[in-house]
Amino acid sequence: SQQGEEDPQALSIQEGENATMNCSYKTSINNLQWYRQNSGRGLVHLILIRSNEREKHSGRLRVTLDTSKKSSSLLITASRAADTASYFCATGARYGGATNKLIFGTGTLLAVQP
Amino acid sequence: DARVTQTPRHKVTEMGQEVTMRCQPILGHNTVFWYRQTMMQGLELLAYFRNRAPLDDSGMPKDRFSAEMPDATLATLKIQPSEPRDSAVYFCASGLFGEQFFGPGTRLTVL
Repeated sequence: SQQGEEDPQALSIQEGENATMNCSYKTSINNLQWYRQNSGRGLVHLILIRSNEREKHSGRLRVTLDTSKKSSSLLITASRAADTASYFCATGARYGGATNKLIFGTGTLLAVQP
Repeated sequence: DARVTQTPRHKVTEMGQEVTMRCQPILGHNTVFWYRQTMMQGLELLAYFRNRAPLDDSGMPKDRFSAEMPDATLATLKIQPSEPRDSAVYFCASGLFGEQFFGPGTRLTVL
């Protein structure tokens, strides 16, 4: 069963607007990661936030993590048409020693209209 | 520019045939993962290896799927016999410290 659930399932915005996606999970985590997937392609890692961090920035991306609510959000500011993709959160937990096992959520399909 | 490579990129086969998918992880990465992606189930972890040793393959149907790492540069996922419900995109990913780097996937269609 999947760990994370993204909300909304689909989001359509205009270029220049901000896009916010949310992720909820169920069990304790070591870290939470966000990935992007363009249609027909593999996933690309965007950002990793550790369980003891609350907020992290990378370029136009801002990720927050609330471990008490078991939730995270991804904010993309000043969106561009090229940001159109599916976005997945993935929760990481230690397993078998140091190996970081990821469980992926259901994804948010973001469409940025030019 | 180090990348995970997968072959073949597309595979169409008939039910009952054996399918072998190959993955070359990024040199130096010590973990390799196999995922399956379908519209209905999303991304599912099938198996993963650390330092070439299988750590967890609980996501795989054991009777027909097998995953191996014969050496550090090659991971294989085999389905024998294949069934139409195995139709999906299969991704390989490798990693070292937490983030995973995905290959382009093998799109498998079983008729």
